[in-house]
Amino acid sequence: EVQVVESGGGLVQPGGSLRLSCAASGFIFSSHWMDWVRQAPGKGLVWVSRIKSDGSNTNYADSVKGRFTISRDNAKNTLYLQMNSLRVEDTAVYYCVRETAVAGLDYWGQGTLVTVSS
Amino acid sequence: DIQITQSPSTLSASLGDRVTITCRASQSISSWLAWFQQKPGQAPKLLIYKASSLESGVPSRFSGSGSGTEFTLTISSLQPDDFATYYCQQYDSYSWTFGQGTKVEIK
Repeated sequence: EVQVVESGGGLVQPGGSLRLSCAASGFIFSSHWMDWVRQAPGKGLVWVSRIKSDGSNTNYADSVKGRFTISRDNAKNTLYLQMNSLRVEDTAVYYCVRETAVAGLDYWGQGTLVTVSS
Repeated sequence: DIQITQSPSTLSASLGDRVTITCRASQSISSWLAWFQQKPGQAPKLLIYKASSLESGVPSRFSGSGSGTEFTLTISSLQPDDFATYYCQQYDSYSWTFGQGTKVEIK
């Protein structure tokens, strides 16, 4: 069974940092691009970042470029999102999502909540 | 970046109704559009990919159509489990974008 499980969320002050992790199982992790998508409380879905299967290519939304870094460890079947210079508007549930070439974003984790507040 | 405009933002319907939601892309995305269903407190669930392909396990009352810039999601006969928020999403360019969402409510 395909599973992706996020962790690492919590409360952080503006300007602070946080690293999210996503543990994947039930599929060949090293064969898939992986994504992060976020959802602010009561708002819609916003794509954040994606990383190629071997880690050699990454893309970011303009709103996080230069502040967030996506990475992966294929030996540990784990995806990461390093978030620096956090802002109040980064407050959201962050979802880890598996990507496939044809179906796109097909498996979603349950999300981890990041709250940026003083 | 490709912009996606989804309508309506809210839809009130009764059990058994035929429901249609529309997404319009700011430029052609071929058939690279997906539809998701999200219920409160849950992660989004993939319903339709590549504009018209039904994800495994999704009821056949859901269907998708369109290509280029105009796309629709249709629920042929609304069931109690279908009251939720629906999002479209383009995956043509390297930067994905979602529609604003459509909340389907009970009339």
